[in-house]
Amino acid sequence: AQKITQTQPGMFVQEKEAVTLDCTYDTSDQSYGLFWYKQPSSGEMIFLIYQGSYDEQNATEGRYSLNFQKARKSANLVISASQLGDSAMYFCAMRESNQAGTALIFGKGTTLSVSS
Amino acid sequence: KAGVTQTPRYLIKTRGQQVTLSCSPISGHRSVSWYQQTPGQGLQFLFEYFSETQRNKGNFPGRFSGRQFSNSRSEMNVSTLELGDSALYLCASSPRLAGGPGNEQFFGPGTRLTVL
Repeated sequence: AQKITQTQPGMFVQEKEAVTLDCTYDTSDQSYGLFWYKQPSSGEMIFLIYQGSYDEQNATEGRYSLNFQKARKSANLVISASQLGDSAMYFCAMRESNQAGTALIFGKGTTLSVSS
Repeated sequence: KAGVTQTPRYLIKTRGQQVTLSCSPISGHRSVSWYQQTPGQGLQFLFEYFSETQRNKGNFPGRFSGRQFSNSRSEMNVSTLELGDSALYLCASSPRLAGGPGNEQFFGPGTRLTVL
């Protein structure tokens, strides 16, 4: 079964608008971590934000915030005030605590296009 | 602090050949993971090395192997290349083996392998 689901293949937004990228996950583990990465056309994966399953507050990093709804198993990324440079592929990922090592399970990604 | 570096950035090989990819982690990071990214399968975990030992392995055939050196640099080898091995190979480093905050994976720019 797919563990990370990103249902939006593509999203289009204008500069300065806020955008929400959806991510739902599936795990029976009580302790896990959720990550968002950005991948520009250059290919490099850029870490954006992390949310631990026991964190009571939603994570924020600058213009990025993570809307964590544990009961619904969702971890949506909110980008405020979009910029042209935000155009990229965005991946949601999860790490379960019962697994060995630091391997991440990734979703299929969402392509975000920001226009002026 | 310098980021994760990968060499070469681009590689073209023919079926049946073998290839070695190299990854230098961020200074001080001891865990190195490898991922394969293809349009069809997305991002898939290959393996992870920590202190020169493979700690975790994804679901890939034995043609895919790797190693880690005492300075934490890692190499990945693919033998008897197949057309389906064409992909972006991403290396990621993290400070420790365990999950949790402060142990995010930082990715390199990737090696784009084309098998003809």
